[in-house]
Amino acid sequence: GQQLNQSPQSMFIQEGEDVSMNCTSSSIFNTWLWYKQDPGEGPVLLIALYKAGELTSNGRLTAQFGITRKDSFLNISASIPSDVGIYFCAGQKAGGGADGLTFGKGTHLIIQP
Amino acid sequence: NAGVTQTPKFQVLKTGQSMTLQCAQDMNHNSMYWYRQDPGMGLRLIYYSASEGTTDKGEVPNGYNVSRLNKREFSLRLESAAPSQTSVYFCASSLQGHNSPLHFGNGTRLTVT
Repeated sequence: GQQLNQSPQSMFIQEGEDVSMNCTSSSIFNTWLWYKQDPGEGPVLLIALYKAGELTSNGRLTAQFGITRKDSFLNISASIPSDVGIYFCAGQKAGGGADGLTFGKGTHLIIQP
Repeated sequence: NAGVTQTPKFQVLKTGQSMTLQCAQDMNHNSMYWYRQDPGMGLRLIYYSASEGTTDKGEVPNGYNVSRLNKREFSLRLESAAPSQTSVYFCASSLQGHNSPLHFGNGTRLTVT
C-alpha cells in the first residue's frame, strides 16, 4: 500500500509551547485529514483539507494541505494538558474508493508539567 | 446521538477460539470499516463495506471475515484466533466511502493467549 511518513514519532513538550508535526508521501493525495486519539478512545476528526494550498484552523489547531499535494502539516499553538494524545494524518488518494485512505503511524504528544 | 458503538470493549481469547466483534452506527452512513491498531503500525484496514450488501478486503484481511448485516451493523469474525490477532480493533463509518470523513468507535481490545 501507499506509505505516509509521519513525524515526529513522539514529542515531549512543556505546557504553553507550540507544536508542529507533518506527514509526507511520494504519492499525490486529494484529501488530507488529521485525527486525534485520546487514551482508550477511537480517533476523532480534527481538520479536513480538500484543496492544495488550503490552510484551515480549528481553534488553536491549524493544518495545511501542501502545494505539491504530497504533504500536510498540523500546528498546535499554546499547548494545554488536554492536547495529550496521538495525532494521525490520513491521505485520500485521487479517485480513491472506500479503501483509498492511508493513515500515518501517529505522533504521540506528551506534555510535561 | 451514540455515533459508532462497538461491543465488547475488552476480550481475552485462547488460541483457536472464535468470536464476533459487533459494530453499529446510527448516523445513516453508507460505508463501514474495520481497522486494527498495533503499536508502531498505525491503523490498518481489515475489511470494509462501501454500501449495504457489499464487502471487500482491505490491507490485512487474513484470518478475518465480515458481515454487513444491514445498513447499521457491520460485524467482524475471528474463526480461529491467533496470538498475532492481539490488537485494538476499531470500527468506523462514513457517509459515502473514504471521501467523507470517518467516524470511529471506541475500540475493542482483544488479547489472544
